[in-house]
This record gives sequence, structure tokens and C-alpha cells, in this order.
Amino acid sequence: DQQVKQNSPSLSVQEGRISILNCDYTNSMFDYFLWYKKYPAEGPTFLISISSIKDKNEDGRFTVFLNKSAKHLSLHIVPSQPGDSAVYFCAASDTTTSGTYKYIFGTGTRLKVLA
Amino acid sequence: KAGVTQTPRYLIKTRGQQVTLSCSPISGHRSVSWYQQTPGQGLQFLFEYFSETQRNKGNFPGRFSGRQFSNSRSEMNVSTLELGDSALYLCASSFDSANTGELFFGEGSRLTVL
Repeated sequence: DQQVKQNSPSLSVQEGRISILNCDYTNSMFDYFLWYKKYPAEGPTFLISISSIKDKNEDGRFTVFLNKSAKHLSLHIVPSQPGDSAVYFCAASDTTTSGTYKYIFGTGTRLKVLA
Repeated sequence: KAGVTQTPRYLIKTRGQQVTLSCSPISGHRSVSWYQQTPGQGLQFLFEYFSETQRNKGNFPGRFSGRQFSNSRSEMNVSTLELGDSALYLCASSFDSANTGELFFGEGSRLTVL
């Protein structure tokens, strides 16, 4: 059962426009969310995160929005650049029975920014 | 400082064989997690080690195992390989396992099972 879902496997956007990547989750106990970007033949790299006590976090061209009631988060990239073309994974922090944490990742969305 | 190093980068095995993958975390990082990436499944959590102890485990069969050494280096082993084990295996390290701890990933070991 996929607890973190990225329903759009791919997205194409024109350079300079906004890219919106979406992520839905099922567990209301998730309290921290992260976005990772992955280029081919490289490992994922951390992009931006948000705590469940916030509804928005911004870092340069990247903004993450969290809607807890809808169990939905989104990543906005403005303006989109060709170098942003990559696979984006959202992840949620899951507290285990031992009190530690593990990250549950979505299936990823492949973003292609067209020049 | 050096990033997370995974070896080997690519390997080909046949069904029934076993494989060992290695991960050297960033210096000072004590938590090492392993993930399996397959098309359509995203990154599936395998297990996490912290100070040589397995702290968390995902929903994988017992054929998948791991360990961590005193220098924080980690290995994962897959026995009796199946075709479905073909995947990119990613290792990630962090300073601790707090939920706000950013994960630093290696480039992965791509396993092909024939």
C-alpha cells in the first residue's frame, strides 16, 4: 500500500513558466516532508523540506505548500529552467514503533523543462 | 568532504546467486539507510542502521539483509537472487535518524539479475 503517492509520472513545462509537482499521502501522523531531485546516474539530492506545523516553505525558486486537511503537498518551481529537468521524489517522515524515523518515498515525477 | 560512496556501481548476477553491496557514508554520519529503486515503485525502504544496530526495517523478505561496521560502513546482502531483484540500490547516510535529518544519497549500485 503506497502511503505517499505521486500520481503524475511525468510533467512537461516551458522554460520560464511555473512547474507544479504534486504529492498525496495517507498517514495523518506524518509530520515532516521533503522533496528530492534525481538526475540520471546520480543519487537523489535534497531540495526542500517542510514541517507539518507550517503550510509553506520557500527557498529561492522553490516553494513547498502543505495542506494537512487534504493530506497534500506540492512543489512549485518558478521560473522553471532546463536544468530543473529531473525526477522529483516527495518523502514523508514516518515515526516507527521504536521512536525512530524512516522516510517513505513516492514513486517520483519526471519533470522536463522545454527550452 | 567526500560524499556517500557505493560499490560496485554496476553488476550482473544470475538467478539463485547472492550479492553483497557496500556503502561508505559521509564521515561523521552514523545512520545508513538502504533503498531499492525500481520503475513505477519509487524508492522502497529496505532498512536503516545506526551505530551498528538495525533500527528500522522495511517490508522486504528475509533474503535481504544488512549490517553496519564500527566505522559506520554498511553492507547489504541479497541471497537467492530473483529476476525481480533487478533494481538500483541506493544507500543514504545522515548524522542521526531524526526526522528532520537530511539524507545524503550515493550514486547507487545497479543490479541486473539474469
